[in-house]
Amino acid sequence: QVTLRESGPALVKPTQTLTLTCSFSGFSLNTLRMRVSWFRQPPGKALEWLARIDWNEDKFYTTSLKTRLAISKDTSKNQVVLTMTNMDPVDTGTYFCARSVDGFIFDYWGQGALVSVSS
Amino acid sequence: EIVLTQSPDTLSLSPGERATLSCRASQTLRTNYLNWYQQRPGQAPRLLISAASTRATDIPDRFSGSGSGTDFTLTISRLEPEDFAVYYCQRYGNSPLYAFGQGTRLE
Repeated sequence: QVTLRESGPALVKPTQTLTLTCSFSGFSLNTLRMRVSWFRQPPGKALEWLARIDWNEDKFYTTSLKTRLAISKDTSKNQVVLTMTNMDPVDTGTYFCARSVDGFIFDYWGQGALVSVSS
Repeated sequence: EIVLTQSPDTLSLSPGERATLSCRASQTLRTNYLNWYQQRPGQAPRLLISAASTRATDIPDRFSGSGSGTDFTLTISRLEPEDFAVYYCQRYGNSPLYAFGQGTRLE
């Protein structure tokens, strides 16, 4: 059974760095072709893909946020970590992680973590 | 950047009716890497359709996808109460690597 779960602070202050952890089970990021991505969704708005890390340590970022994002994995803990620097109120939203086996579709998602940015 | 535009923004229908949702890409999508997701309030997205027309595991056959190139359609043949949600199309490839449409709210 594949599950993913996001965790991290519910509230961060402007200019702070956000660190989110995606803890997963039911698959390994050591497995060929396995990938995990992060997304966000502002309240009432559409989904936005942020970053992806692959089984072979390849990393991909959305261009508009590339300078603020870093994704990493801890295979022994079955975790993927996303950091986003210089947080702003417009970064408020729900952050999701999801699995992709082929790189084209996202078949399992976490339930999301709501992050508010406010002083 | 290949932009996905969904229409309509909101679709008002009743249970038992047929729903037709559209997703248009600003440029041709190669190999039809176009997927559809359903998102109920307070929940994560759920994969419905991949590669334009392949139903995901455990998705009822009232959901179907079609299209190619720049124009794609999600059809729900007979609406059930649990189908009232927001639907997103998603593409793979180009920059950014993944992008979603703005969503269609089915109410």
